[in-house]
Amino acid sequence: RKEVEQDPGPFNVPEGATVAFNCTYSNSASQSFFWYRQDCRKEPKLLMSVYSSGNEDGRFTAQLNRASQYISLLIRDSKLSDSATYLCVVLGEYSSASKIIFGSGTRLSIRP
Amino acid sequence: DTGVSQNPRHKITKRGQNVTFRCDPISEHNRLYWYRQTLGQGPEFLTYFQNEAQLEKSRLLSDRFSAERPKGSFSTLEIQRTEQGDSAMYLCASSLSYTAESTDTQYFGPGTRLTVL
Repeated sequence: RKEVEQDPGPFNVPEGATVAFNCTYSNSASQSFFWYRQDCRKEPKLLMSVYSSGNEDGRFTAQLNRASQYISLLIRDSKLSDSATYLCVVLGEYSSASKIIFGSGTRLSIRP
Repeated sequence: DTGVSQNPRHKITKRGQNVTFRCDPISEHNRLYWYRQTLGQGPEFLTYFQNEAQLEKSRLLSDRFSAERPKGSFSTLEIQRTEQGDSAMYLCASSLSYTAESTDTQYFGPGTRLTVL
């Protein structure tokens, strides 16, 4: 089993729709969680950190479920510009960079 | 532009040749990371520097790979005797961390795309 797993998609949704995807992790001791966005042939860029209590940034909401060991990303009122690959990142241990694990990404395509 | 920069952006080489990539992090950042990314996969950690000290290396980093950050600023990643399997995007990221326990935000450079023929 991979340490961090994501549904590769693609998720193809109409503009204005709400879309959500999850990311599961295997290490129950994982400390920190992030969502990154990566456009085609571009570098990953931090979208948001994921806090235990859940957090929201505009149209984006991130949740953490430690009991079931997954994080989620919800995008409301999706825009064409949201089309990208969304990478979840799990940090297994503080101070251990080798424990920074990226998922393979979920591709999202927003159609007009 | 004060972001992370990488050079070259693209490199095509023949199998067996040596290649070197450079990363210039954001100037005040003390941590620098190297990752490798292949198509359809997320970035895989290769190695990491805190200032000039190389603190961790992945098992993915074979003896043919070496990285340096001599003055705690820019870093180089060298691949000796390249193989076709080395073809990938090599990403550099930097961050500013105050403590060993901090979970810092990493800022990525545009990457160097290596093609080994």
